[in-house]
Amino acid sequence: NAGVTQTPKFQVLKTGQSMTLQCAQDMNHEYMSWYRQDPGMGLRLIHYSVGAGITDQGEVPNGYNVSRSTTEDFPLRLLSAAPSQTSVYFCASSPLGQGNYEQYFGPGTRLTVT
Amino acid sequence: GDSVTQMEGPVTLSEEAFLTINCTYTATGYPSLFWYVQYPGEGLQLLLKATKADDKGSNKGFEATYRKETTSFHLEKGSVQVSDSAVYFCALSDPGAGSYQLTFGKGTKLSVIP
Repeated sequence: NAGVTQTPKFQVLKTGQSMTLQCAQDMNHEYMSWYRQDPGMGLRLIHYSVGAGITDQGEVPNGYNVSRSTTEDFPLRLLSAAPSQTSVYFCASSPLGQGNYEQYFGPGTRLTVT
Repeated sequence: GDSVTQMEGPVTLSEEAFLTINCTYTATGYPSLFWYVQYPGEGLQLLLKATKADDKGSNKGFEATYRKETTSFHLEKGSVQVSDSAVYFCALSDPGAGSYQLTFGKGTKLSVIP
């Protein structure tokens, strides 16, 4: 049971490039989400999904796209990278219902946009 | 909307000192409350949680009590160790209001010196 995995661990992009951050979980969790972590800002929600085929925006969605074609995978796409997207990105998952609202986090992807 | 306010850091303590990190929240519903910990270079891990008023969450010597009357969830530990050095995040979610999103405080960095 690997939990939540993220790839890559580190990435450097030039302004205007696009890329996809991968996230996968093997716990059959319905809920998955993406956060970005910036110094002094805590974690802010980018997008989330409550199941395959269902996604919605969080607090800071601009410049990012997501899709959820399977329960296991929830990739985050940067359409045209900007220096303001330099951050650490965390994916998380959670089972819905059953009174268990704990979210399980991946190890993060550190992205630098130059 | 929902929000979490936690004490600013960084906090530096000597080993075996008493730790308190204050956390207060505002929420429209009846939230669940969490403390997450992030060790250097890692993702977030759930430290403890409480889902209703007067519940006490505890783990690894840390405790926090859900105080609805003061809208607080302060983290305490009686005797900190060097290995407790990390960033601590207070967070809430309000699944009763249909939201599984986590709202985080900005984090408090704790350094424990021998």
